This record gives sequence, structure tokens and C-alpha cells, in this order.
Amino acid sequence: DAKTTQPNSMESNEEEPVHLPCNHSTISGTDYIHWYRQLPSQGPEYVIHGLTSNVNNRMASLAIAEDRKSSTLILHRATLRDAAVYYCILRDVRDGGGSEKLVFGKGTKLTVNP
Amino acid sequence: ETGVTQTPRHLVMGMTNKKSLKCEQHLGHNAMYWYKQSAKKPLELMFVYSLEERVENNSVPSRFSPECPNSSHLFLHLHTLQPEDSALYLCASSLDRGYYEQYFGPGTRLTVT
Repeated sequence: DAKTTQPNSMESNEEEPVHLPCNHSTISGTDYIHWYRQLPSQGPEYVIHGLTSNVNNRMASLAIAEDRKSSTLILHRATLRDAAVYYCILRDVRDGGGSEKLVFGKGTKLTVNP
Repeated sequence: ETGVTQTPRHLVMGMTNKKSLKCEQHLGHNAMYWYKQSAKKPLELMFVYSLEERVENNSVPSRFSPECPNSSHLFLHLHTLQPEDSALYLCASSLDRGYYEQYFGPGTRLTVT
């Protein structure tokens, strides 16, 4: 599996933007970049995914570097509810690529200060 | 109910007990998954079902027995578990197999005594 590297932890203040980085220098052309998060005592939650272009949804934005070797998850205004562990995952779009297996690393633990 | 639900949320069982975990998805998805998440290991995929057919079994011990009676329900039957099986068991579903986003339930926190 292509690997990702994320900082172990980050801190933010409430109502400020948060930029969560992810490095994936060995990404292949068929890998999508997915982000999930896991709030305390809950199951993981899908956040966003993209291939090459930047993506926006109601939860966050995903900025993907031109060479695709890194990406950044952007929370535009952090709330206390956004405190969670954020996981950056590569998923191969090809059938048989084992893409249904979500391979979580250690992720980034985000602390949001009031 | 919306999304993916799991019952019970917490379960304590002895090594000789038999119990079952239940998962139900209300999303009209075709694929369902069981994952194990323990404190010392990352998320581990246990089973994958697609349209009620088991399509993947990741070398899971036979003391874990899945059942998928229809595309909305998934069970994990447990018997003669070991203390090291204590973990958070997560159910997920997705539109289909493959790289589609997966939607998780809240999990069942299992403690084997």
C-alpha cells in the first residue's frame, strides 16, 4: 500500500482555519486521496476525497499539490466538535487494487481550544 | 434511524460465552464491512460482504463468524473468544465494493474477561 505521513498532533483555536498536511510521495496515478476522521468514542467518519483537483464539500476543502505528492485538508472555521484524529488515506481506484480495505495510519490528533 | 447503527454499544463477555453483534445500514448500500480497532493496532479489515455474499475474509480466526442475511443487516457471531479479542468492532457500509467512501457505525466496545 502507498504510505502517507502526517504530523502526530496539531492544535487550533476555535473559529480559526486549520490546515492538516499529508505527504504521500509514492502515490500512484490510480490512487485517490481520502480523508477520514474519528471523534472520541465514535466510528470513523468520511470527510472528503479527491484525485487531482481541489475539492470542497460542506465539511472541508482538500487542496492537492500539482505533483500529487502532498495534500492539505482545510477546515475553514474549527469548532470544538472538530477535535478528532484525522486520517489521510490513499485508495487505488482499480478493481482488485484492495481499495475496499481502509488502511489507517496513526493520523493527526487535532485539539481545538475554546 | 439513519446511517449505520450497531448494537450493543458495549459488551462484556466471558471466554466461554456466545454473543452476536448486530449492524444495520439505512443507506441502501450494497457492501458491508466488519473492522476491528484495538488500542495497539491500526484499523483491521475482517470481512467484506457484497450483495450478501462474503467476498473477503482477512485470515480471521473461526471464533468470529459473520452473517449477512440481506444487504441491510450484518452480524458478527462470537464464541470462545480470547482476552486479546477485546477491541472496538466497527461496521461500515459503502455504495459498492471498491474505493467508494465507507460509512461507519459507532462501534461495539467488546471486553472479553
